[in-house]
Amino acid sequence: DQQVKQNSPSLSVQEGRISILNCDYTNSMFDYFLWYKKYPAEGPTFLISISSIKDKNEDGRFTVFLNKSAKHLSLHIVPSQPGDSAVYFCAASARNNDMRFGAGTRLTVKP
Amino acid sequence: DAGVIQSPRHEVTEMGQEVTLRCKPISGHNSLFWYRQTMMRGLELLIYFNNNVPIDDSGMPEDRFSAKMPNASFSTLKIQPSEPRDSAVYFCASSYSGWDTQYFGPGTRLTVL
Repeated sequence: DQQVKQNSPSLSVQEGRISILNCDYTNSMFDYFLWYKKYPAEGPTFLISISSIKDKNEDGRFTVFLNKSAKHLSLHIVPSQPGDSAVYFCAASARNNDMRFGAGTRLTVKP
Repeated sequence: DAGVIQSPRHEVTEMGQEVTLRCKPISGHNSLFWYRQTMMRGLELLIYFNNNVPIDDSGMPEDRFSAKMPNASFSTLKIQPSEPRDSAVYFCASSYSGWDTQYFGPGTRLTVL
């Protein structure tokens, strides 16, 4: 059962433009959402998170938006840089319950 | 801090052999997680320890898989016997407490021929 879905396996963006990565979930019990970034041959690293009591969280060039009614969250990167090229995983958890990951979206930022 | 340490980084073995993957979590972290990443299924949680005790092993695919955490600084994931479909990257992660932000190791790429 795929409770967290990232429907776009890849995304290509020009340097300086906005990157928007999307994630959908099905479990209404999820109340904590995270984005991880993964470079080749490395483990995923935490990027940004959001609690279900918020609809937006911003950290520098990275902003996560949460739409609970649509069970949808997105990660915006602006401006995009070539170093942002990586695989991005969306993850969701209900407190004291396991965490589910999406399949990942490969972002390529072209110079 | 060295971060989460996993060994080996790469493992190639033949079907039927026993495979043991190792993990050293970040010192002071109380929770440890084993994940498997495949192209088809993405990142899947296999098992989760809290204070060295297995809390949720519902993600362990079969009885061929077992995991132990004998102390706070070491965990193993064992596959016996291994099969080609076990080929994947296996990640260990640790967190300060439960489902807080997890820190991942570099992963072990397992190839079963």
